[in-house]
Amino acid sequence: DQQVKQNSPSLSVQEGRISILNCDYTNSMFDYFLWYKKYPAEGPTFLISISSIKDKNEDGRFTVFLNKSAKHLSLHIVPSQPGDSAVYFCAASRTDSWGKLQFGAGTQVVVTP
Amino acid sequence: GAVVSQHPSRVICKSGTSVKIECRSLDFQATTMFWYRQFPKQSLMLMATSNEGSKATYEQGVEKDKFLINHASLTLSTLTVTSAHPEDSSFYICSATKNTEAFFGQGTRLTVV
Repeated sequence: DQQVKQNSPSLSVQEGRISILNCDYTNSMFDYFLWYKKYPAEGPTFLISISSIKDKNEDGRFTVFLNKSAKHLSLHIVPSQPGDSAVYFCAASRTDSWGKLQFGAGTQVVVTP
Repeated sequence: GAVVSQHPSRVICKSGTSVKIECRSLDFQATTMFWYRQFPKQSLMLMATSNEGSKATYEQGVEKDKFLINHASLTLSTLTVTSAHPEDSSFYICSATKNTEAFFGQGTRLTVV
C-alpha cells in the first residue's frame, strides 16, 4: 500500500522557469516531510523538509508547501537550473518513528537550456 | 552536513554466497540506522531498522534470516545478504538521522550472478 504518492513520473522545464513537484500522502499520522534529489547509483541528497506544524518552508531556490487538510505537499524550485536535472523523491515520516521514511515513486526532472 | 559512508559501492557475487555491506556515520553517533532497497525504476523501500546493541526490526515481507543486520557500535551497521540469489540484485542504501535530518550513504549496487 503506497502511502506516499508522486503521480508525475517526469517533468520537463525550461532553464530559469519554476519547477513544481507534487506529492500526496494517505497516512494522517505522518508529521514530517522531506524532499530528496537523487542521481542513478547514488544515495539521495537531502534538499528541504517541513514539519506538519508549518505550511511553508523556504531555503534558497527551494520552497516546500504543505496542505495538511488535502494531505498534499509540493516542492517549488525557482529558478530551475540544468544542474537540477535528477530524480526527486518525496518522503514522509512520523515523529514517533523518526528516520523510518516512506518514499514516493519519484519524479524525473529535466531542465532544458 | 553529516556524512554517512557506505562500502562497497558495487559488488558482484555468485549465487549462493553471502555479501556484507557496511554503513558508517563518519562524524556523528547513530544509535539507529536504516536500510533501504531500490529496484530499477522504483522507489526506495525500507527494509529494516538497525538498533545499536539490540536486534534489528524488519519491515513486513523482509526475511530477517536472509538479511542479517548487525549494529555493533554507534557508528557502524552492517547488512549481510546471505545465500544471495539473482532476485536479490538491487541497490541497497543505508541512512542515519542527526537531529531533524536523515542522511544517506552512497548506496551499494549488488549484482548476483
